[in-house]
Amino acid sequence: RKEVEQDPGPFNVPEGATVAFNCTYSNSASQSFFWYRQDCRKEPKLLMSVYSSGNEDGRFTAQLNRASQYISLLIRDSKLSDSATYLCAVNDPDNYGQNFVFGPGTRLSVLP
Amino acid sequence: DGGITQSPKYLFRKEGQNVTLSCEQNLNHDAMYWYRQDPGQGLRLIYYSQIVNDFQKGDIAEGYSVSREKKESFPLTVTSAQKNPTAFYLCASSMAGYYTFGSGTRLTVV
Repeated sequence: RKEVEQDPGPFNVPEGATVAFNCTYSNSASQSFFWYRQDCRKEPKLLMSVYSSGNEDGRFTAQLNRASQYISLLIRDSKLSDSATYLCAVNDPDNYGQNFVFGPGTRLSVLP
Repeated sequence: DGGITQSPKYLFRKEGQNVTLSCEQNLNHDAMYWYRQDPGQGLRLIYYSQIVNDFQKGDIAEGYSVSREKKESFPLTVTSAQKNPTAFYLCASSMAGYYTFGSGTRLTVV
């Protein structure tokens, strides 16, 4: 069973803070990585891809560390609306059909 | 608009009853998936399908069944053999690793 693990959280941070989450994966052959955002009682929605060179989208930065087999998500200047659970998704090269495995999620609460 | 539609949004099941959750997509995606999510937990894969008329068991397939007679449709049946079916069920389709999820069905046993 290929494992994808995340910081359990919850992360409670004040507005304006910078917060970072990690997601570790066990299969060194994994090549594709994504971050999803899930609001309470809603479906996950794609937040951003994670490229080898990193990826930045506004206040959000995703990084990949292949040597240590983890990806990270950095959120700068946190907003109340960033409160959600963040799921990482990692492809599983050994299982073509179920080719992505989701982490259990990290819950973020941004406090006023 | 292309998307993935799940119905119903809420479903109540009596003990010993089979129920079917609908999932339809018009994204022309080949791959479709069913996940179960319990409160405060991650997504657990129930079944997946890469092509029409083919599907594979995921990590928690016991007590569930699926069919894939059309590319657009991937219904999930929760059978009476599933002893603890109360959960949030999510259907997804994917292309090149990009997953699109339906809005989910919240199933409760009464």
